[in-house]
Amino acid sequence: QLQLQESGPGLVKPSETLSLTCTVSGGSISSSSYFWGWIRQPPGKGLEWIGSIYHSGTTYYNPSLKSRVTISVDTSKNHFSLRLSSVTAADTAVYFCVEGFADYMGNYYYYYMDVWGKGTTVTVSS
Amino acid sequence: QTVVTQEPSFSVSPGGTVTLTCGLRSGSVSATYYPSWYQQTPGQAPRTIIYSTSTRSAGVPDRFSGSILGNKAALTITGAQADDESDYYCVLYMGNGIWVFGGGTKLTVL
Repeated sequence: QLQLQESGPGLVKPSETLSLTCTVSGGSISSSSYFWGWIRQPPGKGLEWIGSIYHSGTTYYNPSLKSRVTISVDTSKNHFSLRLSSVTAADTAVYFCVEGFADYMGNYYYYYMDVWGKGTTVTVSS
Repeated sequence: QTVVTQEPSFSVSPGGTVTLTCGLRSGSVSATYYPSWYQQTPGQAPRTIIYSTSTRSAGVPDRFSGSILGNKAALTITGAQADDESDYYCVLYMGNGIWVFGGGTKLTVL
């Protein structure tokens, strides 16, 4: 059973770079049917998609965050990472990593985010 | 900027049926947006309930169903139970690798 676990500093200073890692267990991060992503949830608010990375290495980012976000994969460690630069208090949130599926099952193409990590709280404060 | 709309809150009686919707401020939702639904209780990670419009995720009770109703995606709970009280989020695939979440619906069962 696939499991994801986020890790990284819980406190980041304003203007610095937030760095998180999501370790994948119970499956390979190299599978071509899957993609990997990050989603965040500010306190008391809804979910916001940050970005995704696919087997090909192609990345897609939320246009509102694109200039500050980098998502990468390390297949040797079976994990993927998020970097968000120039953080402000508005970046304070619970950050979730997620596994997504993008492939055919039978005659139909399925495209969805499925397995979620438990989330890690990141506070931006001096 | 794409805005995905959801009812901010909804209430249902135990045993009742409720339909939550997921729309676009501009345009209609269809299966090509691969709508998915997630359930979240306070302090927990979201749980996938429905994907690709109407497919239930493993272990999800069949009282949850997804569909397209008119110009929106819909999540219907038939025979609501107390532990269905949660926040429900939809997400739409906008193309070019971009996903957009709705603002979420807080469902109360009372």
